[in-house]
Amino acid sequence: GAVVSQHPSRVICKSGTSVKIECRSLDFQATTMFWYRQFPKQSLMLMATSNEGSKATYEQGVEKDKFLINHASLTLSTLTVTSAHPEDSSFYICSARLQGSDTQYFGPGTRLTVL
Amino acid sequence: AQSVTQPDIHITVSEGASLELRCNYSYGATPYLFWYVQSPGQGLQLLLKYFSGDTLVQGIKGFEAEFKRSQSSFNLRKPSVHWSDAAEYFCAVGVSSNTGKLIFGQGTTLQVKP
Repeated sequence: GAVVSQHPSRVICKSGTSVKIECRSLDFQATTMFWYRQFPKQSLMLMATSNEGSKATYEQGVEKDKFLINHASLTLSTLTVTSAHPEDSSFYICSARLQGSDTQYFGPGTRLTVL
Repeated sequence: AQSVTQPDIHITVSEGASLELRCNYSYGATPYLFWYVQSPGQGLQLLLKYFSGDTLVQGIKGFEAEFKRSQSSFNLRKPSVHWSDAAEYFCAVGVSSNTGKLIFGQGTTLQVKP
């Protein structure tokens, strides 16, 4: 139980284009989802907290207009990297918190490469 | 400010040997503490967590961790390491039960020698 999927697993795009990453909780309802960014050999940095039906809360230094987050249902959150540039290349990981729980369950991540 | 430190970036142990991965945290209140493991191509998997109560916590795959408030530590241990334990290990502290936000340490890469 408590499986989280991400799609796509990897994506390569040209500079200036936008990329959408989906995060789904497959067997549970998640009122809260989180988006992280992980650089090679580094830790996970929280980008934003996504609550179903409301605006996402972004961490300091994260551009909300560049990283658009939508949490339209209890099982789906999306992260759109707008006008992507090479410095946006990274590993993006989502997690979902089981309703009423303090535990996050993580997706397998999406490798974004911007050329 | 809340923070998590994993002093060891990389550790190599022989298969069958014991393992201890260190984690120190900085947090004003009683923390929620977690250990996750990340294998290549897979998402982070929860090994164990501490919220309250018994300070020695048992997790999956034979791992355990001990919360020591006086040392602000939550070290992960395993008595006998298996080759399949080679992975990246992350310690994390939950800074708010309401928001569910986690702060992660830098991670420790575990290599297991045959």
